[in-house]
Amino acid sequence: DAGITQSPRHKVTETGTPVTLRCHQTENHRYMYWYRQDPGHGLRLIHYSYGVKDTDKGEVSDGYSVSRSKTEDFLLTLESATSSQTSVYFCAISATGDQPQHFGDGTRLSIL
Amino acid sequence: KQEVTQIPAALSVPEGENLVLNCSFTDSAIYNLQWFRQDPGKGLTSLLLIQSSQREQTSGRLNASLDKSSGRSTLYIAASQPGDSATYLCAVNSGYSTLTFGKGTMLLVSP
Repeated sequence: DAGITQSPRHKVTETGTPVTLRCHQTENHRYMYWYRQDPGHGLRLIHYSYGVKDTDKGEVSDGYSVSRSKTEDFLLTLESATSSQTSVYFCAISATGDQPQHFGDGTRLSIL
Repeated sequence: KQEVTQIPAALSVPEGENLVLNCSFTDSAIYNLQWFRQDPGKGLTSLLLIQSSQREQTSGRLNASLDKSSGRSTLYIAASQPGDSATYLCAVNSGYSTLTFGKGTMLLVSP
């Protein structure tokens, strides 16, 4: 299995609070991605990174920001969480843009 | 905008049966297509990746085909087993290294 660790695995928080999810990889892959998975919508891309300090928006980026200061870490921040951001969040990595993506085990986030 | 559709949404078969899962996409200008499985409450496991220049890929009992011009891919599972029960997801890379996912086919293989 690809060395991807997501933390925390579960989190419950209140509307309006900031939340940061972490993705850590040990594969030295260049590309990292954040997705959310919701019933009826499937998996949708939030943001991705193609190198240290190089990031871009995905399909559902509103309300989210990301940072990548080291190759191994990709952080997803909800500046002011809303109930609509309750979801399961997955991190993925790939060596290059056209190589297979490998996924972490996910973070289940509930915003009350 | 790329759209990916998977049919059927759910499938139930007896053990030992060969089966085909379907994936269609609206824009044929793709770089590659990837098949995943997802077990309940778990992350995604990559099964096969087919580059746009390839027609098929095989891994064990799994065979994935790609017809880019018609916007279709199939995942063939031979001699299905109860352990194959999972949701199977198809995802298309249309460029910029990002994937567009279908909503999946939930497969149940009964003993």
